[in-house]
Amino acid sequence: DAGVIQSPRHEVTEMGQEVTLRCKPISGHNSLFWYRQTMMRGLELLIYFNNNVPIDDSGMPEDRFSAKMPNASFSTLKIQPSEPRDSAVYFCASSPGQGAGSDTQYFGPGTRLTVL
Amino acid sequence: KNQVEQSPQSLIILEGKNCTLQCNYTVSPFSNLRWYKQDTGRGPVSLTIMTFSENTKSNGRYTATLDADTKQSSLHITASQLSDSASYICVVSPGGYQKVTFGTGTKLQVIP
Repeated sequence: DAGVIQSPRHEVTEMGQEVTLRCKPISGHNSLFWYRQTMMRGLELLIYFNNNVPIDDSGMPEDRFSAKMPNASFSTLKIQPSEPRDSAVYFCASSPGQGAGSDTQYFGPGTRLTVL
Repeated sequence: KNQVEQSPQSLIILEGKNCTLQCNYTVSPFSNLRWYKQDTGRGPVSLTIMTFSENTKSNGRYTATLDADTKQSSLHITASQLSDSASYICVVSPGGYQKVTFGTGTKLQVIP
């Protein structure tokens, strides 16, 4: 298996633009997680899905952020409009089981987002 | 509030030496504790996972210990190699549908 796939790997955009990050989880995994990582705050869970259904989005910073999982093999994280403080590395992870992460999570390579 | 604290924040050691990283947590209830290794520019990778009843778990030169009574864990690296240079993140899970709590990590640098 190729592991968790994320695209793009790097994104540079201007403030106010819409940004869409994409994730393909490991086939057969039931849970998908979106994280944001910064030097100041470390890894923060934004939202997670079980069987394509959003279970907890309490980590989404504000309404500018939205996430979807239309099927078991694809998820998107959208920021509209983007702001400089959104600059971070965004990771997608998947795990075989249900729940919020009792299983080992397999992380993608991340998308480094820079908002100018 | 669930918290995971790691120490030291950063560490520099000579190649071939051993080191120990610490993790203290206040997460309750407790289901499991994991150590992840994150190389620069990459996603975290799981090293070990321990449940309440396990006090030691090894993965090659990495040995994790857990004291569930004092809510402390350590990660010991034996005979360090340059490739061990990375951030090490402690993650504690309450289980079920409750979110896990991440520590802020220890950045380890192994120098020749």
